[in-house]
Amino acid sequence: GDSVTQMEGPVTLSEEAFLTINCTYTATGYPSLFWYVQYPGEGLQLLLKATKADDKGSNKGFEATYRKETTSFHLEKGSVQVSDSAVYFCALSDRTYSSNTGKLIFGQGTTLQVKP
Amino acid sequence: NAGVTQTPKFRVLKTGQSMTLLCAQDMNHEYMYWYRQDPGMGLRLIHYSVGEGTTAKGEVPDGYNVSRLKKQNFLLGLESAAPSQTSVYFCASSYQDLGQLVPRYFGAGTRLSVL
Repeated sequence: GDSVTQMEGPVTLSEEAFLTINCTYTATGYPSLFWYVQYPGEGLQLLLKATKADDKGSNKGFEATYRKETTSFHLEKGSVQVSDSAVYFCALSDRTYSSNTGKLIFGQGTTLQVKP
Repeated sequence: NAGVTQTPKFRVLKTGQSMTLLCAQDMNHEYMYWYRQDPGMGLRLIHYSVGEGTTAKGEVPDGYNVSRLKKQNFLLGLESAAPSQTSVYFCASSYQDLGQLVPRYFGAGTRLSVL
């Protein structure tokens, strides 16, 4: 079945460091890909998305490119801040060509801690 | 800004009992969703709503009913709870997104056990 695999955490970085969180997926059909973020004490919220191969999603300085050839959707940010400390989840939507069931498959989450 | 609020946070039911889970959002979003999360199965969509007064079935709707009488509220009902409905339930909301079902904000979840 469809699945999402993320790099294990926690990831600890100093402020202004470059961030990469790896995400790879297996899927049939034409999945959409997402990154969600969960800040301490809050619910998940959508960070960015990409709906087809070679699309780049971006938001709040974060970027991820839908790479069909490597089945990857790695999250990157050029300069992290303390406020980026959170848990990041990669996800895919089980979407066929003609329908969208709304099902979401999540990776296990990667904790990011940014130190001043 | 409260975002998406779910009540209750925890509940234990006996088989056959009924209950209603409440989801409220204060972002004026059109779309609202109910998911259940079970080990190894990701989040599965139960029901969703694309506007006040409208609801639709998701992937696993059996045993659940929903209502969206007000735009900000989305209720999930279990008329006769079964042990198979033991799960963590998440509500989510989003604005219109080219017709796609893409939840943007999730609540903190409701952990339900049915004995």
